Amino acid sequence: GAVVSQHPSRVICKSGTSVKIECRSLDFQATTMFWYRQFPKKSLMLMATSNEGSKATYEQGVEKDKFLINHASLTLSTLTVTSAHPEDSSFYICSAIFPGSSGNTIYFGEGSWLTVV
Amino acid sequence: GENVEQHPSTLSVQEGDSAVIKCTYSDSASNYFPWYKQELGKRPQLIIDIRSNVGEKKDQRIAVTLNKTAKHFSLHITETQPEDSAVYFCAARSFNTNAGKSTFGDGTTLTVKP
Repeated sequence: GAVVSQHPSRVICKSGTSVKIECRSLDFQATTMFWYRQFPKKSLMLMATSNEGSKATYEQGVEKDKFLINHASLTLSTLTVTSAHPEDSSFYICSAIFPGSSGNTIYFGEGSWLTVV
Repeated sequence: GENVEQHPSTLSVQEGDSAVIKCTYSDSASNYFPWYKQELGKRPQLIIDIRSNVGEKKDQRIAVTLNKTAKHFSLHITETQPEDSAVYFCAARSFNTNAGKSTFGDGTTLTVKP
């Protein structure tokens, strides 16, 4: 079953508004989560590493003030797209490291389709 | 940092044939190589993985081989079925590092023709 849950799966917002996407680890603690952006028929582009209790680590070229990441608890990380514009429309997906018996495996959330109109 | 290259970008096979996707990586510190299958609009699903202390791993019709010296690893799908059609991504990272981020290949779109 799913070990990482992401919400909402689809969201439409108006230009200039902000939208929040949640990523939850189910029944396990995730000190580290990752946020990706995926364009159609393209690979997963890492945006930032979300660290519980500390600031996120952003990849080069990703605007920190544009994509706010908060990892307030061991089971929840949020990505807020601020002042959204149509070019922010994309598939956003999170992942978390699941500390299973065989080691640290990464599982992905369901993904969130963001459309900015 | 790590650089992962994946080939081919598209692959079309006839049902029942085998499919092979290859990836190379650059960072010798990487020791964990998962493969993900992603259907359109859905999350990537882990289908098989291999650690650097193993040269080959098999799970039914899916197998992964690793050549650590040459820094390349491959996904092998035998007896392909139409439901195998999807985008496949390879990745590389340091397995034992909890904060280790994965570097993904660009993906291979596999089409299995009935």
